[in-house]
Amino acid sequence: SQQGEEDPQALSIQEGENATMNCSYKTSINNLQWYRQNSGRGLVHLILIRSNEREKHSGRLRVTLDTSKKSSSLLITASRAADTASYFCATEENFGNEKLTFGTGTRLTIIP
Amino acid sequence: EPEVTQTPSHQVTQMGQEVILRCVPISNHLYFYWYRQILGQKVEFLVSFYNNEISEKSEIFDDQFSVERPDGSNFTLKIRSTKLEDSAMYFCASRKQGINEQFFGPGTRLTVL
Repeated sequence: SQQGEEDPQALSIQEGENATMNCSYKTSINNLQWYRQNSGRGLVHLILIRSNEREKHSGRLRVTLDTSKKSSSLLITASRAADTASYFCATEENFGNEKLTFGTGTRLTIIP
Repeated sequence: EPEVTQTPSHQVTQMGQEVILRCVPISNHLYFYWYRQILGQKVEFLVSFYNNEISEKSEIFDDQFSVERPDGSNFTLKIRSTKLEDSAMYFCASRKQGINEQFFGPGTRLTVL
C-alpha cells in the first residue's frame, strides 16, 4: 500500500457512537498528524503525535501510534453531526524534511 | 484567531494560460507550502519555501510552476502554461519556526478548460 493509507474509506455511524479510523504508512516518521476536511473546504489540523509518543488525547479525540507496525488510529468519541467530514492522516518523514505526505482519507458520516 | 487566506476561491482559465494563485500566510510564520488535491484524490505536496528560497519540491513541481514571496505578506504560486491536468484544489499552508503543525488556507479551486 502507499504511504498513508486510511481505512475504512467510508464510515457511517449513529450520532453518539464512537468512530475509529486507521492509518498505515511505510517510512520512518518524525510525527503523524490528523486533519479534517469538510466537503470542498480547507484542511483543519486536529492533533499531532510524535514518533516517541504512543497515545495522545485532545477533547473527544484520541490518537494512538504504533511505530513498530507503522500505523495510527484516530478515535472520535460521542460523535456529533458536525463531525461529518473527511479525515486524513499526514506524516512528516524526517526532522527538517517538513513536507506532509497525506493518506487517502476516511469519509465519516454521522447520522443524526 | 489568525488564519491563512487564499484568493481567488475559484479560478477558471483556458489551457495554455498563465495563472497566479495568491496566499497570505499567518503573519509570524516563516515556512510556507503549496499542496494540491485533484478531485477525489489525495492531497499532494508541491513545494516548501523558507528564507526566500525553495527548500523542497516534488516531481509535480516542474518548470511550469514557480513560487514567489513578492512582499512581506503574500506568497504566490504561478503556473505558466496551464494544462487540463492542473485542474485541482490548491492549498497554501504556513507554520511557525519550531512548530510542526501546518495551518492550511481554504484553497483555490482551479479549473482548466
